[in-house]
Amino acid sequence: EVQLLESGGGLVQPGGSLRLSCAASGFTFSTYGLSWVRQAPGKGLEWVSTISGSGDSTYYADSVKGRFTVSRDNSKNTLYLQMSSLRTEDTAVYYCAKHYYHSGGYFSGLDYWGQGTLVTVPS
Amino acid sequence: DIQLTQSPSFLSASVGDRVTITCRASQGISSYLAWYQQKPGKAPKFLIYAASTLQSGVPSRFSGSASGTEFTLTISSLQLEDFATYYCQQVKSYPLTFGGGTKVEIK
Repeated sequence: EVQLLESGGGLVQPGGSLRLSCAASGFTFSTYGLSWVRQAPGKGLEWVSTISGSGDSTYYADSVKGRFTVSRDNSKNTLYLQMSSLRTEDTAVYYCAKHYYHSGGYFSGLDYWGQGTLVTVPS
Repeated sequence: DIQLTQSPSFLSASVGDRVTITCRASQGISSYLAWYQQKPGKAPKFLIYAASTLQSGVPSRFSGSASGTEFTLTISSLQLEDFATYYCQQVKSYPLTFGGGTKVEIK
């Protein structure tokens, strides 16, 4: 059974830093891309970042580029999101999600999600 | 960046109703579109990929279709457990983007 478990959220002052972790199990970790998606209170879903299975390729939303860094440790089956220079608008539940590939190996969506971890940056 | 415009943002329906949600892409994305269902306090659930293929375990009352840059999620006969918020997502290119969501509430 695929499981994703986020941790590391909490209250952090503007300008501060935080590192989120996502511990994965139930699949061959190193062969799947992973994404972080966030959801501000009462708002919709916002894609934050993606990392390839090998970790060689990373992508970021403009809203976090230069402030957030995604990484993974394939020996520990763990995904990370290092967040710095945090702003009030970064307040959200952060989800990690596993990539799904259908026939031909095309990325087709996010098939498993963690339960989310709340990051609060007060004004 | 590819923008996705979902409509309506809110709809009120009764059990048994046929419900249709539309997602329009700002440029061509072929069939690189997924749909998700989210209930309050829960993570999103993966419903449909490649615009029209149901993920394993998703009830057959859900269906997806595409015509050009317009994509549709249809629930043929709304059930109590279907009252939720639905999101489309394009996976054609980065940055990945989601539609604004459609909240389906009980009439």
